[in-house]
Amino acid sequence: EPEVTQTPSHQVTQMGQEVILRCVPISNHLYFYWYRQILGQKVEFLVSFYNNEISEKSEIFDDQFSVERPDGSNFTLKIRSTKLEDSAMYFCASSGAGGKETQYFGPGTRLLVL
Amino acid sequence: QQQVKQSPQSLIVQKGGISIINCAYENTAFDYFPWYQQFPGKGPALLIAIRPDVSEKKEGRFTISFNKSAKQFSLHIMDSQPGDSATYFCAATFTRYNQGGKLIFGQGTELSVKP
Repeated sequence: EPEVTQTPSHQVTQMGQEVILRCVPISNHLYFYWYRQILGQKVEFLVSFYNNEISEKSEIFDDQFSVERPDGSNFTLKIRSTKLEDSAMYFCASSGAGGKETQYFGPGTRLLVL
Repeated sequence: QQQVKQSPQSLIVQKGGISIINCAYENTAFDYFPWYQQFPGKGPALLIAIRPDVSEKKEGRFTISFNKSAKQFSLHIMDSQPGDSATYFCAATFTRYNQGGKLIFGQGTELSVKP
Protein backbone atom coordinates (compact mmCIF):
# COMPACT_ATOMS: atom_id res chain seq x y z
CA GLU A 1 0.00 0.00 0.00
CA PRO A 2 1.41 3.42 -0.91
CA GLU A 3 2.48 5.54 2.02
CA VAL A 4 3.92 8.93 2.83
CA THR A 5 7.52 8.75 3.99
CA GLN A 6 9.49 11.33 5.95
CA THR A 7 13.16 11.82 6.72
CA PRO A 8 14.84 12.13 9.10
CA SER A 9 12.78 10.48 11.83
CA HIS A 10 14.58 12.57 14.45
CA GLN A 11 16.54 15.80 14.17
CA VAL A 12 18.39 17.64 16.90
CA THR A 13 19.63 21.14 16.11
CA GLN A 14 20.94 24.21 17.82
CA MET A 15 18.81 27.34 18.08
CA GLY A 16 19.37 29.59 15.08
CA GLN A 17 20.33 26.78 12.73
CA GLU A 18 18.49 25.94 9.53
CA VAL A 19 16.73 22.60 9.19
CA ILE A 20 15.15 20.91 6.21
CA LEU A 21 12.53 18.26 6.76
CA ARG A 22 11.85 15.97 3.83
CA CYS A 23 8.76 14.15 2.71
CA VAL A 24 7.92 11.87 -0.18
CA PRO A 25 4.14 12.05 -0.70
CA ILE A 26 2.12 9.29 -2.32
CA SER A 27 3.07 9.35 -5.99
CA ASN A 28 -0.17 10.37 -7.72
CA HIS A 29 -1.27 12.84 -5.06
CA LEU A 30 -1.75 16.50 -5.86
CA TYR A 31 -2.24 18.23 -2.51
CA PHE A 32 0.50 18.42 0.06
CA TYR A 33 0.48 19.59 3.66
CA TRP A 34 2.67 20.17 6.67
CA TYR A 35 1.32 19.94 10.20
CA ARG A 36 3.03 20.04 13.53
CA GLN A 37 2.26 18.58 16.93
CA ILE A 38 3.89 19.94 20.05
CA LEU A 39 4.26 17.18 22.62
CA GLY A 40 0.93 16.38 24.24
CA GLN A 41 -1.00 18.89 22.16
CA LYS A 42 -3.23 18.77 19.13
CA VAL A 43 -2.08 18.57 15.54
CA GLU A 44 -1.84 22.06 14.00
CA PHE A 45 -1.98 22.99 10.33
CA LEU A 46 1.04 24.82 8.94
CA VAL A 47 0.70 25.02 5.17
CA SER A 48 -0.96 23.48 2.14
CA PHE A 49 0.61 23.27 -1.32
CA TYR A 50 -1.02 22.66 -4.67
CA ASN A 51 0.04 23.18 -8.26
CA ASN A 52 3.51 24.25 -7.15
CA GLU A 53 2.39 27.03 -4.91
CA ILE A 54 1.18 27.62 -1.38
CA SER A 55 -2.61 27.52 -1.29
CA GLU A 56 -3.03 28.33 2.38
CA LYS A 57 -0.84 28.93 5.43
CA SER A 58 -1.44 29.40 9.12
CA GLU A 59 -0.24 32.15 11.42
CA ILE A 60 2.49 29.79 12.61
CA PHE A 61 3.94 29.65 9.09
CA ASP A 62 5.87 32.91 9.22
CA ASP A 63 8.84 34.13 7.17
CA GLN A 64 11.11 31.62 8.87
CA PHE A 65 9.28 28.78 7.15
CA SER A 66 9.28 27.81 3.50
CA VAL A 67 8.16 24.84 1.45
CA GLU A 68 9.34 23.47 -1.83
CA ARG A 69 8.66 20.63 -4.20
CA PRO A 70 12.04 20.57 -5.89
CA ASP A 71 11.82 17.54 -8.15
CA GLY A 72 8.25 16.34 -8.52
CA SER A 73 8.54 13.71 -5.81
CA ASN A 74 9.97 15.33 -2.68
CA PHE A 75 8.21 17.96 -0.59
CA THR A 76 10.34 19.86 1.88
CA LEU A 77 9.79 22.14 4.85
CA LYS A 78 12.63 24.50 5.68
CA ILE A 79 12.94 26.41 8.92
CA ARG A 80 15.57 29.11 8.37
CA SER A 81 16.51 29.99 11.93
CA THR A 82 15.11 27.56 14.45
CA LYS A 83 13.73 28.66 17.80
CA LEU A 84 13.23 26.60 20.95
CA GLU A 85 9.49 26.70 20.40
CA ASP A 86 9.88 25.01 17.01
CA SER A 87 10.52 21.76 18.87
CA ALA A 88 7.67 19.49 17.81
CA MET A 89 6.71 16.54 15.68
CA TYR A 90 6.28 17.61 12.07
CA PHE A 91 3.93 15.63 9.87
CA CYS A 92 3.70 15.69 6.12
CA ALA A 93 0.42 14.67 4.51
CA SER A 94 -0.87 14.30 0.99
CA SER A 95 -4.21 13.81 -0.69
CA GLY A 96 -5.15 12.61 -4.10
CA ALA A 97 -6.64 13.75 -7.35
CA GLY A 98 -10.04 12.48 -6.22
CA GLY A 99 -10.29 15.26 -3.70
CA LYS A 100 -8.75 16.93 -0.72
CA GLU A 101 -10.71 14.97 1.83
CA THR A 102 -8.60 11.96 2.64
CA GLN A 103 -5.22 13.11 3.83
CA TYR A 104 -2.60 10.46 4.40
CA PHE A 105 -0.02 11.30 7.02
CA GLY A 106 3.60 10.32 7.20
CA PRO A 107 5.22 8.97 10.39
CA GLY A 108 6.61 12.39 11.29
CA THR A 109 9.96 13.98 12.07
CA ARG A 110 10.65 14.76 15.68
CA LEU A 111 12.55 18.06 15.81
CA LEU A 112 14.33 19.09 18.97
CA VAL A 113 15.84 22.57 19.12
CA LEU A 114 18.41 23.09 21.87
CA GLN B 1 -14.81 30.34 14.68
CA GLN B 2 -12.52 27.69 13.25
CA GLN B 3 -12.03 25.77 16.46
CA VAL B 4 -13.06 22.21 17.05
CA LYS B 5 -13.59 21.30 20.70
CA GLN B 6 -13.15 17.70 21.77
CA SER B 7 -13.95 15.87 24.97
CA PRO B 8 -13.06 14.03 27.07
CA GLN B 9 -9.31 14.52 27.20
CA SER B 10 -8.85 10.94 28.35
CA LEU B 11 -11.08 7.90 28.56
CA ILE B 12 -10.72 4.51 30.22
CA VAL B 13 -13.05 1.77 29.06
CA GLN B 14 -13.27 -1.91 29.87
CA LYS B 15 -12.78 -4.42 27.09
CA GLY B 16 -16.09 -4.97 25.33
CA GLY B 17 -17.48 -1.61 26.40
CA ILE B 18 -18.50 1.38 24.31
CA SER B 19 -16.12 4.31 23.93
CA ILE B 20 -17.73 7.65 23.14
CA ILE B 21 -15.79 10.78 22.15
CA ASN B 22 -17.52 14.07 21.43
CA CYS B 23 -16.66 17.06 19.29
CA ALA B 24 -18.28 20.43 18.67
CA TYR B 25 -17.66 23.05 16.04
CA GLU B 26 -18.78 26.60 15.32
CA ASN B 27 -18.20 27.22 11.63
CA THR B 28 -21.15 25.93 9.60
CA ALA B 29 -19.05 26.12 6.43
CA PHE B 30 -17.21 22.95 7.46
CA ASP B 31 -18.37 20.17 5.18
CA TYR B 32 -16.19 17.18 6.03
CA PHE B 33 -15.55 15.70 9.46
CA PRO B 34 -12.92 12.96 9.73
CA TRP B 35 -11.73 11.07 12.77
CA TYR B 36 -8.07 10.13 13.01
CA GLN B 37 -6.42 7.47 15.17
CA GLN B 38 -2.86 7.98 16.34
CA PHE B 39 -0.62 5.42 18.01
CA PRO B 40 2.47 6.60 19.92
CA GLY B 41 5.29 7.60 17.59
CA LYS B 42 3.12 7.34 14.49
CA GLY B 43 1.28 9.78 12.26
CA PRO B 44 -2.50 10.17 12.44
CA ALA B 45 -4.39 7.64 10.34
CA LEU B 46 -7.87 8.23 8.95
CA LEU B 47 -10.40 6.06 10.75
CA ILE B 48 -13.80 7.17 9.48
CA ALA B 49 -15.33 10.38 8.12
CA ILE B 50 -18.73 11.93 7.56
CA ARG B 51 -20.34 14.77 5.64
CA PRO B 52 -23.07 16.89 7.27
CA ASP B 53 -25.80 15.65 4.95
CA VAL B 54 -25.99 12.33 6.83
CA SER B 55 -26.68 11.78 10.52
CA GLU B 56 -24.77 8.56 11.01
CA LYS B 57 -22.04 6.53 9.37
CA LYS B 58 -20.93 3.09 10.47
CA GLU B 59 -17.81 1.16 9.53
CA GLY B 60 -17.37 -2.05 11.48
CA ARG B 61 -17.18 -1.23 15.18
CA PHE B 62 -16.80 2.50 14.52
CA THR B 63 -19.79 4.84 14.16
CA ILE B 64 -19.96 8.59 13.71
CA SER B 65 -23.13 10.31 14.87
CA PHE B 66 -23.66 13.79 13.45
CA ASN B 67 -26.05 16.43 14.77
CA LYS B 68 -26.02 19.33 12.33
CA SER B 69 -28.38 21.58 14.29
CA ALA B 70 -26.32 21.22 17.46
CA LYS B 71 -23.03 21.43 15.52
CA GLN B 72 -21.79 18.32 17.26
CA PHE B 73 -20.48 14.96 16.18
CA SER B 74 -19.26 11.96 18.06
CA LEU B 75 -17.30 8.75 17.59
CA HIS B 76 -18.64 5.54 19.09
CA ILE B 77 -16.38 2.51 19.33
CA MET B 78 -18.43 -0.58 20.01
CA ASP B 79 -16.95 -3.67 21.68
CA SER B 80 -13.79 -1.73 22.50
CA GLN B 81 -10.59 -3.77 22.41
CA PRO B 82 -7.15 -3.21 23.99
CA GLY B 83 -5.80 -2.72 20.46
CA ASP B 84 -8.05 0.36 20.17
CA SER B 85 -5.95 2.09 22.84
CA ALA B 86 -4.66 5.17 21.05
CA THR B 87 -5.25 8.90 20.78
CA TYR B 88 -8.27 9.89 18.72
CA PHE B 89 -8.63 13.25 17.02
CA CYS B 90 -11.72 14.69 15.45
CA ALA B 91 -11.20 17.21 12.69
CA ALA B 92 -13.09 19.45 10.33
CA THR B 93 -12.36 21.01 6.99
CA PHE B 94 -13.84 22.78 3.98
CA THR B 95 -13.71 20.91 0.70
CA ARG B 96 -16.24 22.62 -1.52
CA TYR B 97 -14.48 25.94 -1.66
CA ASN B 98 -11.30 26.83 -3.44
CA GLN B 99 -9.19 26.39 -0.35
CA GLY B 100 -6.30 24.17 0.57
CA GLY B 101 -8.32 21.63 2.54
CA LYS B 102 -6.54 22.18 5.83
CA LEU B 103 -7.66 19.96 8.67
CA ILE B 104 -8.60 21.67 11.93
CA PHE B 105 -8.08 19.18 14.71
CA GLY B 106 -9.65 18.81 18.11
CA GLN B 107 -7.50 18.50 21.21
CA GLY B 108 -7.40 14.72 21.12
CA THR B 109 -8.71 11.97 23.41
CA GLU B 110 -6.37 9.40 24.87
CA LEU B 111 -8.32 6.14 24.99
CA SER B 112 -7.20 3.27 27.15
CA VAL B 113 -9.10 -0.02 26.90
CA LYS B 114 -8.49 -2.26 29.90
CA PRO B 115 -8.49 -6.04 29.39
